Amino acid sequence: TQLLEQSPQFLSIQEGENLTVYCNSSSVFSSLQWYRQEPGEGPVLLVTVVTGGEVKKLKRLTFQFGDARKDSSLHITAAQPGDTGLYLCAGDTSGSRLTFGEGTQLTVNP
Amino acid sequence: IAGITQAPTSQILAAGRRMTLRCTQDMRHNAMYWYRQDLGLGLRLIHYSNTAGTTGKGEVPDGYSVSRANTDDFPLTLASAVPSQTSVYFCASSDSGADTQYFGPGTRLTVL
Repeated sequence: TQLLEQSPQFLSIQEGENLTVYCNSSSVFSSLQWYRQEPGEGPVLLVTVVTGGEVKKLKRLTFQFGDARKDSSLHITAAQPGDTGLYLCAGDTSGSRLTFGEGTQLTVNP
Repeated sequence: IAGITQAPTSQILAAGRRMTLRCTQDMRHNAMYWYRQDLGLGLRLIHYSNTAGTTGKGEVPDGYSVSRANTDDFPLTLASAVPSQTSVYFCASSDSGADTQYFGPGTRLTVL
């Protein structure tokens, strides 16, 4: 059983569209991280959220941590081809090690 | 500062052969990890090390072994490679278990 469920698994959209990807769990997380992985490279951290209800913005990306700290979302406004990549969420339940979700593969077509 | 380096970048290996994937970090991080990534999707933890001299099993440890003789190096060994071990392998490090993980560029391994 996957501790962190991400949806959708695949998403293909046109440039300029908005999108939201989700990361859900039945467990409470001390913190949750979002990573982006571009083709041929390793994942790179985008943001860490630690407080229930927290919203963080990174240019056109908006990250939200659920009030109960069991879920998170990533919203991208006016997607661009450069946003193409695999988006991974990772949660910390015990302070000992991160657990990664399966990822959402995003393709933004010009 | 290089961060994390992995070698080789890619390798084609005959089944039954022994192979060691190398990983070195220069950030003096305590924790290091090995993941495999299949079909371009999620990361599965193979082995980890919270500090030099200690190692632990992850989600998919069978067929793999690791050692952590010092802070910087964390090699992953396939004792007798099988085709199901064809994958992209990523090494990562972090200051502690729940902190940001920094990933290497990956090793693409094909076992025939």
